Amino acid sequence: SQELEQSPQSLIVQEGKNLTINCTSSKTLYGLYWYKQKYGEGLIFLMMLQKGGEEKSHEKITAKLDEKKQQSSLHITASQPSHAGIYLCGADIEAGGTSYGKLTFGQGTILTVHP
Amino acid sequence: DTGVSQDPRHKITKRGQNVTFRCDPISEHNRLYWYRQTLGQGPEFLTYFQNEAQLEKSRLLSDRFSAERPKGSFSTLEIQRTEQGDSAMYLCASSLGGGSQETQYFGPGTRLLVL
Repeated sequence: SQELEQSPQSLIVQEGKNLTINCTSSKTLYGLYWYKQKYGEGLIFLMMLQKGGEEKSHEKITAKLDEKKQQSSLHITASQPSHAGIYLCGADIEAGGTSYGKLTFGQGTILTVHP
Repeated sequence: DTGVSQDPRHKITKRGQNVTFRCDPISEHNRLYWYRQTLGQGPEFLTYFQNEAQLEKSRLLSDRFSAERPKGSFSTLEIQRTEQGDSAMYLCASSLGGGSQETQYFGPGTRLLVL
């Protein structure tokens, strides 16, 4: 099984709708990252969360790391076609936060936004 | 453009041939990572460098794979005697330092197809 599980695996929404993507780990998360990827391209950094309870926003995207630091959510408000892509969560899991830097990723969530 | 470049962007080769990929990180970044991503999955860690020192290699990195970062700047990833199972996107990332609090910036990737 995946060390980081993302849900849902895919999501189709109408433009203007809100949506949430979840990332769940069986281990404590240190330095949880959210990236966006267009098909066939590299990863674009969105946000990084460090502390339990932390919440960050950028434009219409908000990410949270829960108090127990084992789950993160990414919320998009009033989705637009430009939000379409693959959303990936990544975390330093194996090293237990001991400043290793090697990231483990979830399998990704494919987001489609219909105009 | 994240500032990390990779060359080539695409490579088609025949089984048994050797291939070499190059990654140029953001200039002041001393950490450099290689990941591999197959269709429908998140990136998987292969190896990383702290300056010119290769500090860890994943068990995914068989003896046919070798990576170098000779002067602590650009890095190369070579695959010898390619197999069809090597077909994937090879991603390079760099960060200013190590640790779970240092954001990794990814290049556009090199897509390898082994026929």
